[in-house]
Amino acid sequence: RKEVEQDPGPFNVPEGATVAFNCTYSNSASQSFFWYRQDCRKEPKLLMSVYSSGNEDGRFTAQLNRASQYISLLIRDSKLSDSATYLCVVSKYNNNDMRFGAGTRLTVKP
Amino acid sequence: DVKVTQSSRYLVKRTGEKVFLECVQDMDHENMFWYRQDPGLGLRLIYFSYDVKMKEKGDIPEGYSVSREKKERFSLILESASTNQTSMYLCATAETGTNYGYTFGSGTRLTVV
Repeated sequence: RKEVEQDPGPFNVPEGATVAFNCTYSNSASQSFFWYRQDCRKEPKLLMSVYSSGNEDGRFTAQLNRASQYISLLIRDSKLSDSATYLCVVSKYNNNDMRFGAGTRLTVKP
Repeated sequence: DVKVTQSSRYLVKRTGEKVFLECVQDMDHENMFWYRQDPGLGLRLIYFSYDVKMKEKGDIPEGYSVSREKKERFSLILESASTNQTSMYLCATAETGTNYGYTFGSGTRLTVV
């Protein structure tokens, strides 16, 4: 079983739609959680950290469920520019042991 | 902003060649990492370093070595390139003891023919 698993998609949604991705992780000792965004042929960039209480950044909401060992990302009012691959990242320690999911591909269409 | 610079964007090498991939950061980050990214497999850690002259194997170190002689520079070496090392190589840095995640370089797409 992979340490971090994501549905690879693709998710094809119209502009303005709400879309959610889930990610599950296998190591219950995981401490830090992140969502990264990766555009085609570009490097991953940090989208947001995920906190235990859940957190929101504009149209993006991240949630953590430690009991079920999954994190989620919700995107509201999707924009064309949201089209990208979203990587789920989990870490046991501070910055030295990060594990990446293979990514979920999102395409937002006009 | 942290800047992580990888020396080449695209590289084509022949089987058996020794290949050097360079990564330089302009912040004082202790931790540096080399990943490769392949379709369907995600990012896999090759090696990382948490200090000058220190290195630790990641999940797939076979066929690779690294060098960190200065804090700002972390080099990945393919001792004898093979076609199965064709991949996107990403360097990343991070500050110890923070929860800020990694900052990546723009990547080197290596093709071994």
